[in-house]
Amino acid sequence: QKEVEQDPGPLSVPEGAIVSLNCTYSNSAFQYFMWYRQYSRKGPELLMYTYSSGNKEDGRFTAQVDKSSKYISLFIRDSQPSDSATYLCAGSPGNQFYFGTGTSLTVIP
Amino acid sequence: NAGVMQNPRHLVRRRGQEARLRCSPMKGHSHVYWYRQLPEEGLKFMVYLQKENIIDESGMPKERFSAEFPKEGPSILRIQQVVRGDSAAYFCASSARTSEGTQYFGPGTRLLVL
Repeated sequence: QKEVEQDPGPLSVPEGAIVSLNCTYSNSAFQYFMWYRQYSRKGPELLMYTYSSGNKEDGRFTAQVDKSSKYISLFIRDSQPSDSATYLCAGSPGNQFYFGTGTSLTVIP
Repeated sequence: NAGVMQNPRHLVRRRGQEARLRCSPMKGHSHVYWYRQLPEEGLKFMVYLQKENIIDESGMPKERFSAEFPKEGPSILRIQQVVRGDSAAYFCASSARTSEGTQYFGPGTRLLVL
């Protein structure tokens, strides 16, 4: 069983839609959770970082962590074509980070 | 403030040659991580280093791969006697503290083994 599971998609939405991206994880020791955005042939760019359970909002992005169900979510409001990328979730117990395989998102103008 | 820098961005090697990948962390960061990314497989952790120390190399293949982060200069990931299966994108990330959780990635080195 992989440490972090993520639906690879691809996911296509119209511009302005609300996007929901999800991951599950298996390691109860995970305390830190991250979402990264990766454009084609570029390095991952840190989007959101959360510690333990709860919500965190930053502009159009909201990250949610539910440790009881081991579920990680990223919501994108008012999606834009520039949001088209691969989104990677990650969890960590403290030093080593475990990444999902990424979800490919396309926002259609 | 410069981000994480990696060079070269692209590297072509023939089977049996050595590949040397360099990573300069963000200013003020003393923790370096190396990852390998293959299509459809996501980022795989390889090794975690601090200055002059390997902290966790549980993701490194036992043979041909080595990493260092000297007191002066960049971190280096070395792959000896490369094989075609080593072709991948190799990313370096850095952080200020282990427990902070925020790793910042470089642009990657794309290795192609012919």
